[in-house]
Amino acid sequence: AQSVTQPDIHITVSEGASLELRCNYSYGATPYLFWYVQSPGQGLQLLLKYFSGDTLVQGIKGFEAEFKRSQSSFNLRKPSVHWSDAAEYFCAVGAPSGNTPLVFGKGTRLSVIA
Amino acid sequence: KAGVTQTPRYLIKTRGQQVTLSCSPISGHRSVSWYQQTPGQGLQFLFEYFSETQRNKGNFPGRFSGRQFSNSRSEMNVSTLELGDSALYLCASSLGGTGPGSGANVLTFGAGSRLTVL
Repeated sequence: AQSVTQPDIHITVSEGASLELRCNYSYGATPYLFWYVQSPGQGLQLLLKYFSGDTLVQGIKGFEAEFKRSQSSFNLRKPSVHWSDAAEYFCAVGAPSGNTPLVFGKGTRLSVIA
Repeated sequence: KAGVTQTPRYLIKTRGQQVTLSCSPISGHRSVSWYQQTPGQGLQFLFEYFSETQRNKGNFPGRFSGRQFSNSRSEMNVSTLELGDSALYLCASSLGGTGPGSGANVLTFGAGSRLTVL
């Protein structure tokens, strides 16, 4: 069965500093991978997705993620964090066939300090 | 275009009562998925409906049920509420479909319905 692990429950970074959020997945083949962000009191918004091809994918709000098959990872990065990036971030794995539901990690809460 | 709309946004119930939550998907989307979000368990999949048929079901008791109407709007119902049912219930819609590449039909989430059971 597919699963997602986000090892960091909570991360605090200074505004302007770089950010990397970790995501490891378990899946029998090459999955479809997603990162979503959730601001307080809101639903989830898609940041970026990986289906195939170039392993470095760009998303909204200046985020990018790199798919590393050998490490079963799909880490999210941002070179310079803004205070508005404070939110909860979820990594998800899905089947290319679309016949099973997306499985989400438990999330990483990001705090940004001045 | 309008996003995914969930109603009500907030509700308070007491143990033993039942609740119905509604989800209106993005126009043209035929698949609606429901997730339960709690601080301890994260997002857990409840069920997915596609063209009025339940296509996938998560590991929840029979007290949790859902349906989808011909206009793709969906409702979920929880009967005999328990304290542990307190959660944010999220609905997400997508184009749906199956087959190679259908997993690329990205989920778009609503803002959720916050249920508190007292």
